[in-house]
Amino acid sequence: GAVVSQHPSWVICKSGTSVKIECRSLDFQATTMFWYRQFPKQSLMLMATSNEGSKATYEQGVEKDKFLINHASLTLSTLTVTSAHPEDSSFYICSARDRVRNSPLHFGNGTRLTVT
Amino acid sequence: DQQVKQNSPSLSVQEGRISILNCDYTNSMFDYFLWYKKYPAEGPTFLISISSIKDKNEDGRFTVFLNKSAKHLSLHIVPSQPGDSAVYFCAASVINFNKFYFGSGTKLNVKP
Repeated sequence: GAVVSQHPSWVICKSGTSVKIECRSLDFQATTMFWYRQFPKQSLMLMATSNEGSKATYEQGVEKDKFLINHASLTLSTLTVTSAHPEDSSFYICSARDRVRNSPLHFGNGTRLTVT
Repeated sequence: DQQVKQNSPSLSVQEGRISILNCDYTNSMFDYFLWYKKYPAEGPTFLISISSIKDKNEDGRFTVFLNKSAKHLSLHIVPSQPGDSAVYFCAASVINFNKFYFGSGTKLNVKP
């Protein structure tokens, strides 16, 4: 069964509004979660590393004021796309790893964001 | 700077035959490698992994081979089934760093 849950699976919003995406680790505690973005026919691009109790680490070229990440608990990280524009339309995927069990990286099912 | 590369964007194989997906990397510090399978509009699903202390790892129909000197790994699927049709991503990491780098994916089509 899924060990990482992501919600919502799809969302449509208007330009200028904000959208929040949740990522939960279901049966383990994740001090670190990762947020990826996938463009059509392209690879997974790491956007940021979400760290529980501290600031996220953003990859080069990713606007931290645009993509707000909060990791308030050991099982929940949120990504908020602020003041969304059509170019933010994409497939966003979170992932986490159970370090205690030394598991591989597990992914949520992704969120398809469409900004109109 | 892409540290993990999958140079074949697509591969077509007949059902029952072997599928071989290739992946190259540039960072010699990578010591943990994974393969993921992805269907459209879904998150990637973990398939198989290998650490750098091994050169082969097998799990059912899936075998991953690692050639450290060539910085190359491959995924073999035998026998291939139509349900294997998906995009396959390879990924690499330095195990303690917990950060994963992905290739661009290879779309596998297994024809009945």
